[in-house]
Amino acid sequence: DAKTTQPPSMDCAEGRAANLPCNHSTISGNEYVYWYRQIHSQGPQYIIHGLKNNETNEMASLIITEDRKSSTLILPHATLRDTAVYYCIVRASLSNAGGTSYGKLTFGQGTILTVHP
Amino acid sequence: DTGVSQDPRHKITKRGQNVTFRCDPISEHNRLYWYRQTLGQGPEFLTYFQNEAQLEKSRLLSDRFSAERPKGSFSTLEIQRTEQGDSAMYLCASSLVPGMGGYTFGSGTRLTVV
Repeated sequence: DAKTTQPPSMDCAEGRAANLPCNHSTISGNEYVYWYRQIHSQGPQYIIHGLKNNETNEMASLIITEDRKSSTLILPHATLRDTAVYYCIVRASLSNAGGTSYGKLTFGQGTILTVHP
Repeated sequence: DTGVSQDPRHKITKRGQNVTFRCDPISEHNRLYWYRQTLGQGPEFLTYFQNEAQLEKSRLLSDRFSAERPKGSFSTLEIQRTEQGDSAMYLCASSLVPGMGGYTFGSGTRLTVV
């Protein structure tokens, strides 16, 4: 799976948008971008994923550049409960005679996001 | 279904003892994963099952580690002759095949070897 690069830490004011960048310059055409977060003392939580189009759900938006070499996770109105480690992961999809399967998730160091009042 | 359950939440053991952790995945999920996480690091993949078959093991999984999923439902991870370096959070996750939607993780078992 392609390697990702994220800043080690970021700050954000409560109520403002948090924009978390991720570089994945060696991403392949069959690799998806996934975002997870981990709040202290809990297991990682799935946020969103995408291939090449921008995606939005109730938690966040994912913006992937046209060349797919980088992406940004946007939390539109950050709250104190969004303080967590955010992981950007590139994950392969594998098509074979049995159908499509997906590679395992490989976590990096992530970005520690601190939302302050 | 309340998600992925792990038991115990915390375990303190003396060096050299054996420990066993249990994971109950989401009932309809056929894939189950084990990860290990040390302080300040992201989770590291250990092994995964599809139904009862163990399909991949990481090189991190030494001979002292064994995982089972005998009936394709719950799984156990056993560590024999624990060492201080085994102290970590052990995370379990489950997913459906093909699983594009990602994994659901449990809250983990924190192991401390003294």
